[in-house]
Amino acid sequence: DIQMTQSPSSLSASEGDRVTITCRASQSITTYLNWYQHKPGKAPKLLIYAASSLKSGVPSRFSGSGSGTDFTLTISSLQPEDFATYYCQQSDNTPYTFGQGTKLEI
Amino acid sequence: QVQLQESGPGLVKPSETLSLTCSVSGGSISGYYWNWIRQPPGKGLEWIGYIYSSGITNYNPSLKSRVTISVDTSKNHCSLKLSSVTAADTAVYYCARMYSTSSYWLDPWGQGALVTVSS
Repeated sequence: DIQMTQSPSSLSASEGDRVTITCRASQSITTYLNWYQHKPGKAPKLLIYAASSLKSGVPSRFSGSGSGTDFTLTISSLQPEDFATYYCQQSDNTPYTFGQGTKLEI
Repeated sequence: QVQLQESGPGLVKPSETLSLTCSVSGGSISGYYWNWIRQPPGKGLEWIGYIYSSGITNYNPSLKSRVTISVDTSKNHCSLKLSSVTAADTAVYYCARMYSTSSYWLDPWGQGALVTVSS
């Protein structure tokens, strides 16, 4: 299985901050990397697909980059609604696997 | 806009079979892959498997011997069965549609269904 390692596992930040979350794959996954936002009791939401493509309707303050084994999710200016847990997921090979999550807290 | 809703018993006894249904509204189940993912309390997300609307399946090897995913296009829903459950199968279970073009991603997801395994 491809192991996905996210860092940090938790992050304290303030409204207006720029934050970056990293995700590393145990082998090359080219750009088969997706990012999701998850709030308690809610459905996870797709933010970024194919490493850097922003899902329609997602604010442009979210961006993704990377290829191969190293990827980043950047939020350029944190808004109150962005405090959540973020997961990366590889879709290069089954079984699809997720990072352990990054909890973004105020 | 496609919406997914998981449903099924919230409590299952050890050694019995967990059964959940994912109802799809606002769009057709045909032509897509439908995935099941779970999240045990306090833990990360685990992919269980998927089914294509034609019935082709792909399961996580760690669960393959106990999992069956099926689809009913006439009812526009898919189903998950997990046999011989233990407390380790206690989790929130999500269904999600997978887009497959030049890449693959999960969107949208259902809100999830909490299943507790306990006697």
